[in-house]
This record gives sequence, C-alpha cells and structure tokens, in this order.
Amino acid sequence: GAGVSQSPSNKVTEKGKDVELRCDPISGHTALYWYRQSLGQGLEFLIYFQGNSAPDKSGLPSDRFSAERTGGSVSTLTIQRTQQEDSAVYLCASSPGPNTQYFGPGTRLTVL
Amino acid sequence: GQQLNQSPQSMFIQEGEDVSMNCTSSSIFNTWLWYKQDPGEGPVLLIALYKAGELTSNGRLTAQFGITRKDSFLNISASIPSDVGIYFCAGPRTDSWGKLQFGAGTQVVVTP
Repeated sequence: GAGVSQSPSNKVTEKGKDVELRCDPISGHTALYWYRQSLGQGLEFLIYFQGNSAPDKSGLPSDRFSAERTGGSVSTLTIQRTQQEDSAVYLCASSPGPNTQYFGPGTRLTVL
Repeated sequence: GQQLNQSPQSMFIQEGEDVSMNCTSSSIFNTWLWYKQDPGEGPVLLIALYKAGELTSNGRLTAQFGITRKDSFLNISASIPSDVGIYFCAGPRTDSWGKLQFGAGTQVVVTP
C-alpha cells in the first residue's frame, strides 16, 4: 500500500522567505510526527499530532515554526522568515498506534 | 531521562563481514525498534521487539531485546554493499505517550 509521502522532495529558498512542507500520512494512521535531521545527525523531534487532541509542539525550535493537520490527515509544516540554520532534512512519520512510526522520504531544505 | 546511547558511532567493514551494534539506556524500555536510513531516504523500520529476551530475525538481520530491558543489539550477517546507511535504535518514551526516543545512530560503511 501507499506509504508516507512528502513534498517537495527538495526546496531551495532564500533567507527570510517562508516555506511550506507537506506530509501525506498513511491512510488511517491517527498519529503524525515531524522531525528535523541536520547533515549527519540524528532525528530531532519537532511536533506530534494525535487524533483530535491538541498537538505536542514541545520540539519546535522557535516561533517561526508552526504546523497544522487538516481533517486528521495531511499536515503542513511552515517555517517563516527562514534562516540558514534551518537547512536540514525534514522528515514526517505516521503511526497507527503509540509505538512504531513509518517515515516518509523527507524534504531537503536549503536556505541560501 | 531516557537517553539512548548507541555504539559504535560509525563502522567501516568489508563486504561479507558480520556487523554488531548496540543501544543502551539507564531507563527500562518496553519496546525496542531498529530503523535503517539509506542515504537520501527516510528511516525504514527493520525490526520491532516487544518482550525482554526476545530474539527476532529479518533476513540477515537479527535483533535482541536485552533481559534487563535496558539494552538491545542488532547484528547483520554477511554484509553486502546495500547494508550501507545509518541504523537507529528507538523506544517509546514513558514521559510522553506516543513519542519515540531515538539513538544518535550508527553509520555503517561497507567496502567491497
């Protein structure tokens, strides 16, 4: 079946511009996660959506980062006024339950 | 906290060799997960372990859930070039339901 998909796969933007990254989770998965991975580094948790509950935003690094999940399905991660240190791979994952997570291919963001 | 210490950080091996890596924590985990991330891709779930002492195989991969529930091991037998990538261990956080704690990863490089 279809896995988690993310778009765009690559995004190059200029410093100060806003970007939107999209995640389509696996159908029926109630949980959705966003992570950031800098070059050669591990996974940095950003935000977690579970059903209709208020999202866990504890990992967002600044107020320039926000995310929403519409209709319990598609999610958009928005980064406003991008900075060079925002350059990273942004990974989305979805999960049918509390443990296992299934990842998308990621969006590679480059801020010039 | 529930930090996961993964070792080694990286390993360079020759094709055909066996590989062993481990993940330890000062906290108890009820589930251990092993993911592999190919270059330019998102992590893919390899093996999930749910019971202390459990030994599970997936092809040339074997993972074990430590008896103390504070560690897990992943072995790759007869490595091949496509085994290259970053291997992450993960476990569910007890301080935040639905979220995973990830290790920093073990980078595996296979030379012919």
